[in-house]
Amino acid sequence: QVQLVQSGAEVKKPGASVKVSCKASGYTFTSYDINWVRQATGQGLEWMGWMNPNSGNTGYAQKFQGRVTMTRNTSISTAYMELSSLRSEDTAVYYCARYFWSGYWFDPWGQGTLVTVSS
Amino acid sequence: SYELTQPLSVSVALGQTARITCGGNNIGSKNVHWYQQKPGQAPVLVIYRDSNRPSGIPERFSGSNSGNTATLTISRAQAGDEADYYCQVWDSSTDVVFGGGTKLTVL
Repeated sequence: QVQLVQSGAEVKKPGASVKVSCKASGYTFTSYDINWVRQATGQGLEWMGWMNPNSGNTGYAQKFQGRVTMTRNTSISTAYMELSSLRSEDTAVYYCARYFWSGYWFDPWGQGTLVTVSS
Repeated sequence: SYELTQPLSVSVALGQTARITCGGNNIGSKNVHWYQQKPGQAPVLVIYRDSNRPSGIPERFSGSNSGNTATLTISRAQAGDEADYYCQVWDSSTDVVFGGGTKLTVL
């Protein structure tokens, strides 16, 4: 079955960077974009950006421009999201999700990765 | 920028019908998608393109979209339907947009 499995929880200090991985299985990795969405505790969903695994092209939400980098390794069907200059407000669960360009929806989602930013 | 408005909470009696709305300017011209999120879990797609159900989603879940309001309808509500529900669209000026989410309580 189609599945996205993310890396484990991270604890980082302010100013550091974090890199979260998302391993795809059950479908052709290069055929669908991967998007990243985050959710702070008790809050709603916040879209961060997209990456095309075939071309490597990316698009980021304005809020994260300059701080986020989305990459991939097609040989192991894995996408990555790196967020730099971390601050306490970046503490959240980060999700990857497969994206359907035919109508702009997400399915499925990864299980989420908790990133905690604390001194 | 484009915005989606959802009620913070909706309550429904067990076995009755729940309706969760998602408001946006001329949202009827866009594809609306709905996600269910239970505590501690990732979101799950329950409706795509306004009214389509992915495989494995019960027929009790349905959707509609017209004018400035999209609606997720859950018939014969069950205790297991208690969750947060989010609507989502794509907009040319804002890209991906999520509603603020609605907490469904089954009484």
